[in-house]
Amino acid sequence: NAGVTQTPKFQVLKTGQSMTLQCAQDMNHEYMSWYRQDPGMGLRLIHYSVGAGITDQGEVPNGYNVSRSTTEDFPLRLLSAAPSQTSVYFCASSSLGREGRGELFFGEGSRLTVL
Amino acid sequence: SQKIEQNSEALNIQEGKTATLTCNYTNYSPAYLQWYRQDPGRGPVFLLLIRENEKEKRKERLKVTFDTTLKQSLFHITASQPADSATYLCALYLNRDDKIIFGKGTRLHILP
Repeated sequence: NAGVTQTPKFQVLKTGQSMTLQCAQDMNHEYMSWYRQDPGMGLRLIHYSVGAGITDQGEVPNGYNVSRSTTEDFPLRLLSAAPSQTSVYFCASSSLGREGRGELFFGEGSRLTVL
Repeated sequence: SQKIEQNSEALNIQEGKTATLTCNYTNYSPAYLQWYRQDPGRGPVFLLLIRENEKEKRKERLKVTFDTTLKQSLFHITASQPADSATYLCALYLNRDDKIIFGKGTRLHILP
């Protein structure tokens, strides 16, 4: 049982390049989300999805696109990378319990540097 | 404005003592609150969840309290050990928007 898998683990981009961070989970979780983590800023929610075909913006969505065509996958796209997007990105998933979302299961993170 | 505050960026505690971390929030009405542990270079790992109608939750040496009137949660580690050194994050589940948001975390150092 792999849990939440993120690829790549490390990536260096030039300003203006585009790329996709991949996230896959094998726990049949409806809920998936992307966070970025910067020094002193904690985890900030970028986008999230409560099921296939549904996505919503989080706290810092600008510059990022997402789609959710399957339950398992939730890719994060940077259309035109900027140095301000240098960060560590975490994907997380959760099931739906009786009273709402349960615990988040996180991937190991993707460290992105934009030059 | 809405915000989540964790008491301090870093906290040093002597081994064997109780470490107490604070999470305060304003202008949110969370259905529940969670605590996570994060080690350097790793993703956060879930520790405890406490619902709005619960006052206290325990798990081994961990205890969490939740006061919705004060808009505050306290996270306690009793008989602390150097292995408890990590960053601890609190998170709010906002059921109206169906999303989970985090505080900035507190780096806890247990000194031998």
